[in-house]
Amino acid sequence: GAGVSQSPRYKVAKRGQDVALRCDPISGHVSLFWYQQALGQGPEFLTYFQNEAQLDKSGLPSDRFFAERPEGSVSTLKIQRTQQEDSAVYLCASSLDDSWHEQFFGPGTRLTVL
Amino acid sequence: DAKTTQPPSMDCAEGRAANLPCNHSTISGNEYVYWYRQIHSQGPQYIIHGLKNNETNEMASLIITEDRKSSTLILPHATLRDTAVYYCIVKKDSSASKIIFGSGTRLSIRP
Repeated sequence: GAGVSQSPRYKVAKRGQDVALRCDPISGHVSLFWYQQALGQGPEFLTYFQNEAQLDKSGLPSDRFFAERPEGSVSTLKIQRTQQEDSAVYLCASSLDDSWHEQFFGPGTRLTVL
Repeated sequence: DAKTTQPPSMDCAEGRAANLPCNHSTISGNEYVYWYRQIHSQGPQYIIHGLKNNETNEMASLIITEDRKSSTLILPHATLRDTAVYYCIVKKDSSASKIIFGSGTRLSIRP
């Protein structure tokens, strides 16, 4: 079946531009996570949704980062006024519900800020 | 969530068993041990998890010591496709909690 998909797979932005990254979770999955992975490092948690409710945004590095999931399915991570340090792979993961152990990850979006 | 310690890299011959160690000496009673792996240019992939007992599935076996302070992931017959970074993670029950990845172990399988 279809897994988690993310688009675009690659994004190049000029410093100061706004970007929007999309995540399509597995259909019916309640939980959705965003992670940021810098080159050569493990993924780091950004934010978590249960349906449309954003229950944890403790990992968002600044107020330039904003995530939404208005209808409880597709999610968008928006980064305003991008900086070079925002260059990373942004990973989305979904899970059936909050009692399910496994998180399913998408392939990620590689963001490069010039 | 408890912190884990893994060797930064390991290698293994194709066809042999790959044994990946993990120390988690501060694990608490309600924390599970999870293993994920990340193949180059892909998202992380769940492998296995356990609480106290040893676990086995179609991908791997997980051996947890009796005091739960360390564990070993075993890939019984490693193939070239098993080349990846393997992350050992401890976290509370349920997927509602975020995963805290460390640096992982980069496993290289040699032909």
